[in-house]
Amino acid sequence: AQTVTQSQPEMSVQEAETVTLSCTYDTSESDYYLFWYKQPPSRQMILVIRQEAYKQQNATENRFSVNFQKAAKSFSLKISDSQLGDAAMYFCAYRDLENTGTASKLTFGTGTRLQVTL
Amino acid sequence: SQTIHQWPATLVQPVGSPLSLECTVEGTSNPNLYWYRQAAGRGLQLLFYSVGIGQISSEVPQNLSASRPQDRQFILSSKKLLLSDSGFYLCAWSLPRGQGYNSPLHFGNGTRLTVT
Repeated sequence: AQTVTQSQPEMSVQEAETVTLSCTYDTSESDYYLFWYKQPPSRQMILVIRQEAYKQQNATENRFSVNFQKAAKSFSLKISDSQLGDAAMYFCAYRDLENTGTASKLTFGTGTRLQVTL
Repeated sequence: SQTIHQWPATLVQPVGSPLSLECTVEGTSNPNLYWYRQAAGRGLQLLFYSVGIGQISSEVPQNLSASRPQDRQFILSSKKLLLSDSGFYLCAWSLPRGQGYNSPLHFGNGTRLTVT
């Protein structure tokens, strides 16, 4: 079974600085998807960024970017110019390609709580 | 645009009482539907998913069950709640296979369940 590991339970960053959240995963598949979700205090899960494993180019979404290292099975999230609103739990998630009768089942890591300080 | 509604937002129930959490999706047809549970300080655990009406797959054995009586309605139930059922429950949807090659999950706002 696939597993997702986030080894940093908590991280802290100063406003306007850059922070990187780590994520590693284990799979025997060659093609799959990876996601980062944000869960603010409201506890709503918000998609931050996604990456297809067959794409070598790292995904970017405004201030958010990933460093995808397929051979190392690593998928880190970089937040640039951190803002107070970035404070949240961040979850890394893995998904296989869909097969008949299945669905987009995500396997989540345990999360990293990000604090943003002034 | 698609929206997902989940209710209630908060629920306090005694041990042994029944449970019914409801989730509906608007703006899409034949979505894949999911129930996740998030225990305090932990990640999300997939409980059930459904690829169509009446089709339910269970990921973990437990005291809970799920049903999909209509295309865009997903219900999480229990006949008798246990203390260990306390947690934060999230409903989610994604595009069906063939329509969303890279479809992420879209989550509802969640239900905080406390079993006393």
